[in-house]
Amino acid sequence: QVQLQESGPGLVKPSQTLSLTCTVSGVSISSGGYYWHWIRQHPQKGLEWIGWMHYSGTTHYNPSLKSRVSISANRSENQLSLKLSSVTAADTGVYYCARSPLRHFDYWGQGTLVTVSS
Amino acid sequence: DIQMTQSPSTLSASVGDRVTITCRASQSISGWLAWYQQRPGKAPKLLIYEASTLESGVPTRFSGSGSGTEFTLTISSLQPDDFATYYCQQYNSYSPYTFGQGTTLEIK
Repeated sequence: QVQLQESGPGLVKPSQTLSLTCTVSGVSISSGGYYWHWIRQHPQKGLEWIGWMHYSGTTHYNPSLKSRVSISANRSENQLSLKLSSVTAADTGVYYCARSPLRHFDYWGQGTLVTVSS
Repeated sequence: DIQMTQSPSTLSASVGDRVTITCRASQSISGWLAWYQQRPGKAPKLLIYEASTLESGVPTRFSGSGSGTEFTLTISSLQPDDFATYYCQQYNSYSPYTFGQGTTLEIK
């Protein structure tokens, strides 16, 4: 059974770097055919795709966030990580990791709320 | 980016009703559209992908159709569990993934 679980600080100060980890179980992030994503949801608002990492290690980011975001993997721990630099209050929201065969997201983590505030 | 517009934003209905939600894309996305259901405090759940393919385990009262720029999600007979928010999501290889703004289905 595929499961994803996000973890990380719930409070980040403005201008600092947000760092989150997604622990994956039930499937290896190094196994072929899947993309591993970060998606966020602003409070009471819609969903925004942040970026993906392919099992091969290739990454692709939303152009609106590209200058501030980095996604990487710890393959020995079967984890995906997200780093978002120079955060502001606009980066507050629930952050999800998700898996996709490519075009849609079939498994999601439960999400973790990150608040940007001093 | 490709903009996704859902209508209506809110829909009031009763158990047993048939309801339809529409999603329009700002440019053609062929059939690369997915629908998700989200309950409060939970992650979105995949219902339909490639416009009309039902995800395994999803009740058959859910169906999807459309291609190009106009898509619909239909629930044939509303059950109490179906009152939630629904999102569409597009895939286009030249554009970031984007989602509709959501349709909240509430009990009349």
